[in-house]
Amino acid sequence: DAKTTQPTSMDCAEGRAANLPCNHSTISGNEYVYWYRQIHSQGPQYIIHGLKNNETNEMASLIITEDRKSSTLILPHATLRDTAVYYCIVRVDNYGQNFVFGPGTRLSVLP
Amino acid sequence: GAVVSQHPSRVICKSGTSVKIECRSLDFQATTMFWYRQFPKQSLMLMATSNEGSKATYEQGVEKDKFLINHASLTLSTLTVTSAHPEDSSFYICSARTDRGLTVGTEAFFGQGTRLTVV
Repeated sequence: DAKTTQPTSMDCAEGRAANLPCNHSTISGNEYVYWYRQIHSQGPQYIIHGLKNNETNEMASLIITEDRKSSTLILPHATLRDTAVYYCIVRVDNYGQNFVFGPGTRLSVLP
Repeated sequence: GAVVSQHPSRVICKSGTSVKIECRSLDFQATTMFWYRQFPKQSLMLMATSNEGSKATYEQGVEKDKFLINHASLTLSTLTVTSAHPEDSSFYICSARTDRGLTVGTEAFFGQGTRLTVV
């Protein structure tokens, strides 16, 4: 699976959009971009994933650049409960394959 | 989304005893389950992968005789930490995926984790 690079930490004001970047310059054509988050002392929570088109669901939006070398997760109106570690994972869409977690980005939503 | 339930959420045990952690998929058939371990301020590290009815595949450095994994049904996998020692104290997390049906995609779903403290 391709390697990803994320900032170690970010702050965001409550109510504002949180934009979390991820670089994956070695991504290959059949690799998807997945985002998970982990709130303190809980298991990871699936957020969203995509291949090349932008995706949106009730939690977030995923913007993937045209060359697919980077992506941005957008939480449109961050709340204090969005404070968590966010993981960007690039992998082939294979049911039997595990997810490899990097250090992620620690997002702090500030009041 | 699909629900994975892990039990117990916290356990304290004495050194030398064994502890069993259960992971259940509540509304889908988990054809593959993964077990991770997470030490404080670190990311998740995969310990083993198990497919229903098959022996688990362990990652390098993980002792299969110490961390016993059973995936006897499509909705239940167990991790037993045998002869636990203080260095086994960690946050253990299971994850489940399915290749059956269209209601669950290729994303994996995670349990809420089990914090094991060995004293």
